[in-house]
Amino acid sequence: NAGVTQTPKFQVLKTGQSMTLQCAQDMNHEYMSWYRQDPGMGLRLIHYSVGAGITDQGEVPNGYNVSRSTTEDFPLRLLSAAPSQTSVYFCASSRVGTQSSYEQYFGPGTRLTVT
Amino acid sequence: ILNVEQSPQSLHVQEGDSTNFTCSFPSSNFYALHWYRWETAKSPEALFVMTLNGDEKKKGRISATLNTKEGYSYLYIKGSQPEDSATYLCAFSGGSNYKLTFGKGTLLTVNP
Repeated sequence: NAGVTQTPKFQVLKTGQSMTLQCAQDMNHEYMSWYRQDPGMGLRLIHYSVGAGITDQGEVPNGYNVSRSTTEDFPLRLLSAAPSQTSVYFCASSRVGTQSSYEQYFGPGTRLTVT
Repeated sequence: ILNVEQSPQSLHVQEGDSTNFTCSFPSSNFYALHWYRWETAKSPEALFVMTLNGDEKKKGRISATLNTKEGYSYLYIKGSQPEDSATYLCAFSGGSNYKLTFGKGTLLTVNP
């Protein structure tokens, strides 16, 4: 299993440009999520999904869109990049159970710089 | 916004020392408490998922305890080694069994 994969690893954008960060997992996990990691802020949840066709907002959703058309893929779209979106982005996935909480598996991260 | 606090923010210990750090979280609506280890230039990796008050988990020299009534968890490392150097994150799950709120982490540096 490849686990959770993310592309690209690095990206530089100009203010106002749009792009999509890709995330895929091959573990058949129902739950997928996007976090951003900024110095001194820890991991903050942007959007999450508990299955194909279901998405919801996390703590910092503004400026980002997501969709979940398949179990495997959960792309994150930046509609009009701003310097405040310079960050490291992590995708994570986990199983979902009614009686338990399961560990999250993280991708390698995408380092995004917006100039 | 849920408040998950970790202390200390950073810690320097000598090889062979034992150490511990704290995660505080809301005591109401508790579902689970996760601990992750995050090495520089890598991704976070799960250490423990704890769900029951009084839970104790152990993996090698690392162990964790959980008190859901007072809203805290301790992570212990016995006989620290340089390879234990990492940021240790805790994450709280309240009201659902999948959505996590992370603390800012404790950065541990173990000097040889």
